[in-house]
Amino acid sequence: DAKTTQPPSMDCAEGRAANLPCNHSTISGNEYVYWYRQIHSQGPQYIIHGLKNNETNEMASLIITEDRKSSTLILPHATLRDTAVYYCIVRVTGTASKLTFGTGTRLQVTL
Amino acid sequence: NAGVTQTPKFRILKIGQSMTLQCTQDMNHNYMYWYRQDPGMGLKLIYYSVGAGITDKGEVPNGYNVSRSTTEDFPLRLELAAPSQTSVYFCASSWGDYNEQFFGPGTRLTVL
Repeated sequence: DAKTTQPPSMDCAEGRAANLPCNHSTISGNEYVYWYRQIHSQGPQYIIHGLKNNETNEMASLIITEDRKSSTLILPHATLRDTAVYYCIVRVTGTASKLTFGTGTRLQVTL
Repeated sequence: NAGVTQTPKFRILKIGQSMTLQCTQDMNHNYMYWYRQDPGMGLKLIYYSVGAGITDKGEVPNGYNVSRSTTEDFPLRLELAAPSQTSVYFCASSWGDYNEQFFGPGTRLTVL
């Protein structure tokens, strides 16, 4: 699976959009981009995933560049409850579901 | 629908002791996984299962064993606890290979 690079930490004001970048320059054509988050010491929570098209759900939007070498997770209106560690994961499906978690980005949402 | 449940929440073991971490899911998922998370680090896959009776090693399987006799349950066994196994253990499940994984609340294990 391709390696990902994320900034270790970011801050965001409550009510503003949080844009979390992820670099995956060695991504292959059949690898998906997944985002999970982990709030405090809870189990990780799935957010969104995509292959090459932009995706949106009730939690967030995922923007993948045309060359697929990077992506951005967007939380449109961040709240204090969005404070968490966000993991960007690239993986090939059909490989027995291995999610490789790096150290992620710690997002701090402030008043 | 309780999702993924894990017991116990906390446990302290002495070196050399054994224990089983329990994991149950009520979503009829075929796939189940065990991860460990050391302080300040991401999760590492220990073992996974793609269905009842089928298990396979993940990234860090040494010192652990699993079984999958039913769809619902996926216990993780530590035979001879070592301080290096001090960690938080998460169980997860999913419908299939590409589906989102649902995680349990975790078991915090300390080996002294």
